[in-house]
Amino acid sequence: GENVEQHPSTLSVQEGDSAVIKCTYSDSASNYFPWYKQELGKGPQLIIDIRSNVGEKKDQRIAVTLNKTAKHFSLHITETQPEDSAVYFCAASPPPGNTGKLIFGQGTTLQVKP
Amino acid sequence: DADVTQTPRNRITKTGKRIMLECSQTKGHDRMYWYRQDPGLGLRLIYYSFDVKDINKGEISDGYSVSRQAQAKFSLSLESAIPNQTALYFCATSDLSGDRGKRETQYFGPGTRLLVL
Repeated sequence: GENVEQHPSTLSVQEGDSAVIKCTYSDSASNYFPWYKQELGKGPQLIIDIRSNVGEKKDQRIAVTLNKTAKHFSLHITETQPEDSAVYFCAASPPPGNTGKLIFGQGTTLQVKP
Repeated sequence: DADVTQTPRNRITKTGKRIMLECSQTKGHDRMYWYRQDPGLGLRLIYYSFDVKDINKGEISDGYSVSRQAQAKFSLSLESAIPNQTALYFCATSDLSGDRGKRETQYFGPGTRLLVL
């Protein structure tokens, strides 16, 4: 079955710097890759996603890139702010398609220092 | 997300006890999921349901059972709790019939923190 590996497990950056979180997946047939943000005491919330027919997607300060050949995708946060501090999860949607199942990575705790 | 509620929010129980975690949603979504979160392991799928009559095992279903009492309610039971079931449990929903770009989006509840002594 699908397996998703996420790195690093923790990341500390200065406010204003960029942060990059990387994930690899094992099943080349996976076709949907979301990123979720979990703030303290809350459930995860979708922040951005990308499909296998797209190489990059941006939404203001966040972007996601996908390399299907290498089976990895990354989250990029620019101009980080203290409110970006949270746990971030990547995920992949394994085949068969349209099941709604997601396989999550292990999570990355991002700390943005003021 | 206030549209997905979980009860209780915190629970302490003893080994061998049967407990039930409940999830309710007002989003009108057809699909519901139960995950557990452990440090360093991320979110792992326990069970998922596409509708009231369709229940499926996830990655780690052993020791758990579920009931989809209605479209809006999905309960997770631990028949005989053990300490390694201590974790943070999340319920989530998604909408197969929704906007094409949002069908896979999962909406999570606030979580239930369970401690098994």
